[in-house]
Amino acid sequence: ETGVTQSPTHLIKTRGQQVTLRCSSQSGHNTVSWYQQALGQGPQFIFQYYREEENGRGNFPPRFSGLQFPNYSSELNVNALELDDSALYLCASSPGLAGNTGELFFGEGSRLTVL
Amino acid sequence: GDSVTQMEGPVTLSEEAFLTINCTYTATGYPSLFWYVQYPGEGLQLLLKATKADDKGSNKGFEATYRKETTSFHLEKGSVQVSDSAVYFCAPVSGGSNYKLTFGKGTLLTVNP
Repeated sequence: ETGVTQSPTHLIKTRGQQVTLRCSSQSGHNTVSWYQQALGQGPQFIFQYYREEENGRGNFPPRFSGLQFPNYSSELNVNALELDDSALYLCASSPGLAGNTGELFFGEGSRLTVL
Repeated sequence: GDSVTQMEGPVTLSEEAFLTINCTYTATGYPSLFWYVQYPGEGLQLLLKATKADDKGSNKGFEATYRKETTSFHLEKGSVQVSDSAVYFCAPVSGGSNYKLTFGKGTLLTVNP
């Protein structure tokens, strides 16, 4: 069983640029969530996709956007990068909505540094 | 919205010491409660969970009891090992927002031999 994989693992961008992060969900999982984890903080919910539709969004501006594809993989896009966007971005998949199963399966994250 | 207050770290213990990491939460309805663990260089993984009041979650020697009256879900282990060194996160999922986990800030545990 293949776990959640994310790419790239590390990347450096400059302020104002755009970035795309990718996530392959675990086999059999149809729900993908994205979290932002700033250094020394807990993960903060960005949004969740269920069967290719956004199914909830946290307190993040519209320049954070996402997609889910028919194979349930997902992308996180961030436009007009700001210094405060520097963080570890975590993708998590689950076989159902978080409220039903509770267990999220996390990837190891993409560490974004904005200079 | 939901919120979590977790014991500030870092916590440093000697091997075989007793561990308690406190967690209290606010959430709508009757949340499910989780502890996740992040080992160095790895992603988050579920440690244990409890889905209703008075339930006890347990795994790898860790335990936590869902206390509705005190809105708490404290993590305990009777005898920690060096391999338990990690960051621990408490996270409720409430019925009012059943699509997301609300994480605490995390508690860094270091266990010395």
